Amino acid sequence: DAKTTQPPSMDCAEGRAANLPCNHSTISGNEYVYWYRQIHSQGPQYIIHGLKNNETNEMASLIITEDRKSSTLILPHATLRDTAVYYCIVKPGNNRKLIWGLGTSLAVNP
Amino acid sequence: ETGVTQTPRHLVMGMTNKKSLKCEQHLGHNAMYWYKQSAKKPLELMFVYSLEERVENNSVPSRFSPECPNSSHLFLHLHTLQPEDSALYLCASSPGGSGTGELFFGEGSRLTVL
Repeated sequence: DAKTTQPPSMDCAEGRAANLPCNHSTISGNEYVYWYRQIHSQGPQYIIHGLKNNETNEMASLIITEDRKSSTLILPHATLRDTAVYYCIVKPGNNRKLIWGLGTSLAVNP
Repeated sequence: ETGVTQTPRHLVMGMTNKKSLKCEQHLGHNAMYWYKQSAKKPLELMFVYSLEERVENNSVPSRFSPECPNSSHLFLHLHTLQPEDSALYLCASSPGGSGTGELFFGEGSRLTVL
């Protein structure tokens, strides 16, 4: 079973920030938070991951709460090409298995 | 382009057919994976190969047979499949062995079993 909870769908206006929440209240100390997205008819694409500190790369920012029980993926200026299903996953550092949920379907509207 | 190429992109087969899915990665990664994605269901890990050795087999029926001849190629041999096996089959690779969570996926092979 997935160890994360995400809203099934969200909308965002083009050019605005998209903030995608994820709850992982049972996360353990050695588990990382990973984010992927899957654009229709394509394979999933890695976005970002973190353990306890906030992380930023060219695609997005990841904000993890101090208690690590939830996180938010931020797409700072959403475009139509960001329309996709976004998956939040927790993974132990020493385990190869990613447990996928159903993710959040993000629709970026013009 | 992710550096992971899957062929064919679409496959229709009868329950008595034998077919194979092919995956090739051009990233120099050491680990390769097969995932199954059925409609309205989460991705399911099927097989993991690390340095050409199978390290995980998640109770997959024997009608699915993986093969990893080298670190760049991965096959999924299919025989006597059932209609419920219709799904998107995704191949992925990862750097630094199979413990990382940063996977690079191909675009998938859409399988329909009649």
